[in-house]
Amino acid sequence: AQSVSQHNHHVILSEAASLELGCNYSYGGTVNLFWYVQYPGQHLQLLLKYFSGDPLVKGIKGFEAEFIKSKFSFNLRKPSVQWSDTAEYFCAVNAGNNRKLIWGLGTSLAVNP
Amino acid sequence: ETGVTQSPTHLIKTRGQQVTLRCSSQSGHNTVSWYQQALGQGPQFIFQYYREEENGRGNFPPRFSGLQFPNYSSELNVNALELDDSALYLCASSLWGASYEQYFGPGTRLTVT
Repeated sequence: AQSVSQHNHHVILSEAASLELGCNYSYGGTVNLFWYVQYPGQHLQLLLKYFSGDPLVKGIKGFEAEFIKSKFSFNLRKPSVQWSDTAEYFCAVNAGNNRKLIWGLGTSLAVNP
Repeated sequence: ETGVTQSPTHLIKTRGQQVTLRCSSQSGHNTVSWYQQALGQGPQFIFQYYREEENGRGNFPPRFSGLQFPNYSSELNVNALELDDSALYLCASSLWGASYEQYFGPGTRLTVT
């Protein structure tokens, strides 16, 4: 069965630290990959997406993610986090012709000022 | 541009009762997807509606049903509520053909006692 794994459930960083959140999926075919963010008290928002082409994808607010097909990974990165990046981050995958998104459990990021 | 709206915000029901949750899609979107998000979990796909018909369903029993109306708004109905149905129910709208780019509403928090 298709699945998505997020390796870090809770991450605590200080401002200006670098961030990398891991995401791995299980599916051998064509995938569409997403990172969503949920800020406190707000609804889910699309951070970035990968459909095809350049495996290094840039999203909003300085975030980027790299699709490594051989590793079935789509890790999220930011060189220098801010307090305002405190949020829940979800990796999601759409695989094959299936119209549903399969989600990871999420990673809670707390950035200390 | 009007975003996705959901009603009600919170709801408390008793086991065995029935509930209807409502969603208005973002302006210009014709596809609606419903998700269940239990505490500490990622969203789980329930089903998707396009052209007033169900188009894809996750692993949810038939007591979870839905409707889509000509104006693209949608309802999620759950019969014979169980304690495990307590969760945040998310609605996401999108354009058919770009269904993977989904825009989420704030959700309805359902508590079953």
